[in-house]
Amino acid sequence: ELKVEQNPLFLSMQEGKNYTIYCNYSTTSDRLYWYRQDPGKSLESLFVLLSNGAVKQEGRLMASLDTKARLSTLHITAAVHDLSATYFCAVGSGTYKYIFGTGTRLKVLA
Amino acid sequence: KAGVTQTPRYLIKTRGQQVTLSCSPISGHRSVSWYQQTPGQGLQFLFEYFSETQRNKGNFPGRFSGRQFSNSRSEMNVSTLELGDSALYLCASSLLAENYGYTFGSGTRLTVV
Repeated sequence: ELKVEQNPLFLSMQEGKNYTIYCNYSTTSDRLYWYRQDPGKSLESLFVLLSNGAVKQEGRLMASLDTKARLSTLHITAAVHDLSATYFCAVGSGTYKYIFGTGTRLKVLA
Repeated sequence: KAGVTQTPRYLIKTRGQQVTLSCSPISGHRSVSWYQQTPGQGLQFLFEYFSETQRNKGNFPGRFSGRQFSNSRSEMNVSTLELGDSALYLCASSLLAENYGYTFGSGTRLTVV
């Protein structure tokens, strides 16, 4: 069965710094999604990655997918406080089913 | 446009009772999925519906069931509630999940006492 691991689980970083969140998965999939969740809120879709080598960017966030390595990264550039949230990756498993990673709780310190 | 609407937002039930949660997807979205979120297990897939048909389900006991109506609205039911069913239940809808991902509702926070 598909397993999805994210690391790190917790990330505390200074404003202005760069960092990367990793999402590894155990079986073949070519569908990967990134979501953001603020405390007490629902999930917000960030990126949809549907092919090997896919790269998407929005503001200070950039996501990429390497299906051969079964790895996706979410890169944060010049972090700002507003990016503090929990970030989840979700991987397509078979049909119409998505397995979520454990989440990475990001805290950006001023 | 209106987002995914889940009702009720909060619910407190007693062990052994049953509960029904409701989800109204974004207009035009025919795929609806349900997830359970807990601090210990994270986000776990419950089931997915499209045009009133369940197309996939997760590894939950038979006490968890769902359905979708012709207008794409969906309900999930949990019978014989257990303390461990306390969680945030999230509904998500999509026009075409594979290409667009899902839009999530705000969730129903269920507490079983």
